Amino acid sequence: EVVLTQSPGTLSLSPGERATLSCRASQSVSSRYLAWYQQKPGQAPRLLIYGASSRATGIPDRFSGSGSGTDFTLTISRLQPEDFEVYYCQHYGSAHTFGGGTKVEIK
Amino acid sequence: EVQLVESGGGLVQPGGSLRLSCAASSFTFSNYEMNWVRQAPGKGLEWVSYISSSGTTIYYADSVKGRFTISRDNAKDSLYLQLNSLRAEDTAVYYCARETWSGFQHWGQGTLVTVSS
Repeated sequence: EVVLTQSPGTLSLSPGERATLSCRASQSVSSRYLAWYQQKPGQAPRLLIYGASSRATGIPDRFSGSGSGTDFTLTISRLQPEDFEVYYCQHYGSAHTFGGGTKVEIK
Repeated sequence: EVQLVESGGGLVQPGGSLRLSCAASSFTFSNYEMNWVRQAPGKGLEWVSYISSSGTTIYYADSVKGRFTISRDNAKDSLYLQLNSLRAEDTAVYYCARETWSGFQHWGQGTLVTVSS
């Protein structure tokens, strides 16, 4: 069973700063099936990135994903006020699991 | 526009049962793999179960294996989750989500299941 560990648990940053979120897998996974989601309170998650680095439809280009094997990263280049939310990584396809989440909060 | 609408949540006593439904519209339901994902109050996302487009392949999280049953009726464009032997720790919002090679692009609004005496 693949376990995804996200770090940090909370990231305190100011608008305009760069956010770097980490997702580490307990074993090597296919980057083809690695996704990132954003979730706002009371709402369903929104797909941001799939295939480790491809942006979903309508996602601004300040969001980018990278990585392979066991280490993956979501980067938000310049934080906007609406980006201060919770983010999850996910492995799907043959195995389905979510990371524990990273909360990006205003410093 | 793709729509997924969950229903069937509510308050149930420990040990009780509940059946959740997810009604799909505006896409060819029978072509897509589907999942249930839950989120306990104040907690993260937990994948619960997967079913292939034909219904022949099914997976469960260890936490629900033997207690929950996923199924689908492609003629009715509907996904189901039968929850048996419910425990307090099953209290959560349950989402259905459509899976493709590009992830879980579409989600329902969720239905709340509360297990309490």
